[in-house]
Amino acid sequence: DAGVIQSPRHEVTEMGQEVTLRCKPISGHDYLFWYRQTMMRGLELLIYFNNNVPIDDSGMPEDRFSAKMPNASFSTLKIQPSEPRDSAVYFCASSQDYLVFYEQYFGPGTRLTVT
Amino acid sequence: LAKTTQPISMDSYEGQEVNITCSHNNIATNDYITWYQQFPSQGPRFIIQGYKTKVTNEVASLFIPADRKSSTLSLPRVSLSDTAVYYCLVFRGDYKLSFGAGTTVTVRA
Repeated sequence: DAGVIQSPRHEVTEMGQEVTLRCKPISGHDYLFWYRQTMMRGLELLIYFNNNVPIDDSGMPEDRFSAKMPNASFSTLKIQPSEPRDSAVYFCASSQDYLVFYEQYFGPGTRLTVT
Repeated sequence: LAKTTQPISMDSYEGQEVNITCSHNNIATNDYITWYQQFPSQGPRFIIQGYKTKVTNEVASLFIPADRKSSTLSLPRVSLSDTAVYYCLVFRGDYKLSFGAGTTVTVRA
């Protein structure tokens, strides 16, 4: 398996623009997680899905952030409008099932820069 | 979530054993201890998980005393490629992993 795939790897955008980050989890994994990592706040869980259904979005910073998972092999994290403070590395991760959800497989991340 | 405390950084040399101790004084009965590793510019990678006593795999060993208020990750004979941030996490099965600041391990030649 190719592992968790994220695109783009780097994104530079101007404040106010819409940003869409994409993730393809490992095939057969039931759980998908979106994280954000910054120097100041470390690695934060934003939202996670189970079988394509959002379970907990309490980590989503504000209404500008939204996430969807239309099918088992694709998820998006959208920021609209983007702000400079959204600059971070965004990771997508997946895990197989509830028995091993602690073993999450992370993608390479998307480095977002908002100017 | 149980709070964890681990050293900010540790230095070592190639071939040495590195032991990172994590404190989790308020760990609950149903909590498990998990360690992740993160290399620069990469996502975290699961290393090992345990509940009590000792767990060993091809990468590391995890030692957990009877009171479970701490745990020690042991990396045998480290190499330069083991330079990374190591995170100690305690979770309760609520599907959330809470990453702290981690321990930056630097291995020198």
